[in-house]
Amino acid sequence: ETGVTQTPRHLVMGMTNKKSLKCEQHLGHNAMYWYKQSAKKPLELMFVYSLEERVENNSVPSRFSPECPNSSHLFLHLHTLQPEDSALYLCASSQERGGTEAFFGQGTRLTVV
Amino acid sequence: GENVEQHPSTLSVQEGDSAVIKCTYSDSASNYFPWYKQELGKRPQLIIDIRSNVGEKKDQRIAVTLNKTAKHFSLHITETQPEDSAVYFCAASSSGNQFYFGTGTSLTVIP
Repeated sequence: ETGVTQTPRHLVMGMTNKKSLKCEQHLGHNAMYWYKQSAKKPLELMFVYSLEERVENNSVPSRFSPECPNSSHLFLHLHTLQPEDSALYLCASSQERGGTEAFFGQGTRLTVV
Repeated sequence: GENVEQHPSTLSVQEGDSAVIKCTYSDSASNYFPWYKQELGKRPQLIIDIRSNVGEKKDQRIAVTLNKTAKHFSLHITETQPEDSAVYFCAASSSGNQFYFGTGTSLTVIP
């Protein structure tokens, strides 16, 4: 257990649904990240939060909406997704943004039908 | 921004042989280089990291070397075992910046 917990582990949703992914860390880290991992593709950075402020958004479609209410929690709100959005969504945290070890959650396997 | 390239994308070795995975980076400001191992269906986990003030670091069968001048770093696994089979990712970052990951290497250790 690395201290980063993601829920749910698996999610199947229709293209018209709205769902949220949750990430929680109690490591005292100041930076949190959302990554998308598709088959045979590298880890794609989606969002970075540092001290609860979004500092990076890698041109992610607006159907993905992040929320960081405090330094321990990170959400990814999903709406009107497309089948190509099916992937493993990984949350990570690190003490500071960059320069220190990133700890990953186990991921949410998302399937859009 | 930073660009990290990783080779090879797939690697098969016989059990007991060594495996080497290489990465290059472009931004000379990068000073932290972690390596992650991701087993099938599991999260990426750090196996070793190196900072730019060090040229080599070793932890049992795993070692990482860094050449700052050439901007490349490598992962070396000796005496490979079947449980070393996984996808390995390199990354480069610096304080205040994001992690830039390589495309991954799928390592298969053949018993």
